[in-house]
Amino acid sequence: DGGITQSPKYLFRKEGQNVTLSCEQNLNHDAMYWYRQDPGQGLRLIYYSQIVNDFQKGDIAEGYSVSREKKESFPLTVTSAQKNPTAFYLCASRKSTGTGISYNEQFFGPGTRLTVL
Amino acid sequence: GEDVEQSLFLSVREGDSSVINCTYTDSSSTYLYWYKQEPGAGLQLLTYIFSNMDMKQDQRLTVLLNKKDKHLSLRIADTQTGDSAIYFCASKGAAGNKLTFGGGTRVLVKP
Repeated sequence: DGGITQSPKYLFRKEGQNVTLSCEQNLNHDAMYWYRQDPGQGLRLIYYSQIVNDFQKGDIAEGYSVSREKKESFPLTVTSAQKNPTAFYLCASRKSTGTGISYNEQFFGPGTRLTVL
Repeated sequence: GEDVEQSLFLSVREGDSSVINCTYTDSSSTYLYWYKQEPGAGLQLLTYIFSNMDMKQDQRLTVLLNKKDKHLSLRIADTQTGDSAIYFCASKGAAGNKLTFGGGTRVLVKP
């Protein structure tokens, strides 16, 4: 089955520690995205990548870092510089070729809930 | 920057129609989307509308777009308990490949 997987589903971190969230897709999509979701708020874009070895900052990139060494994988590192990291993190991917809805639709993973203790 | 606004909460009785409203600011929006999020899960695309359309119907779902007022609505006919979820409106501008999401509307369906 094609899809996006995120692991782990729940993650606990001590203050001052870096932590890496995994996102893998087997949809052969070029573009990948990381969003943060806080209670009662919409999704805010952290980073996105249109192609391997390239990525751009989103609206709230401070305290986060990413890499895109493989098409299938787009891991997100939450660093100790992120002041309020407790949130639900969602990864998405998009085809980015073709036209119409297949080109524009973002497919989402199940999310990782990060809690800082 | 672009902004998308939604009301926070909607309560509806099973079998009634639900209407979720959304306003956006980006006049260059090309696609407008409705996503559904069930508890603890990712987002699932429900439906979308292209900016040159006024209405789109897909089974129980009807999307209305008033481009002049930058207003989008999602009507769910014959609402079921399985429709209880958070619904997000999102817009895609003409330039770039990013979506701007609203804050989400939590829909509670009462038996």
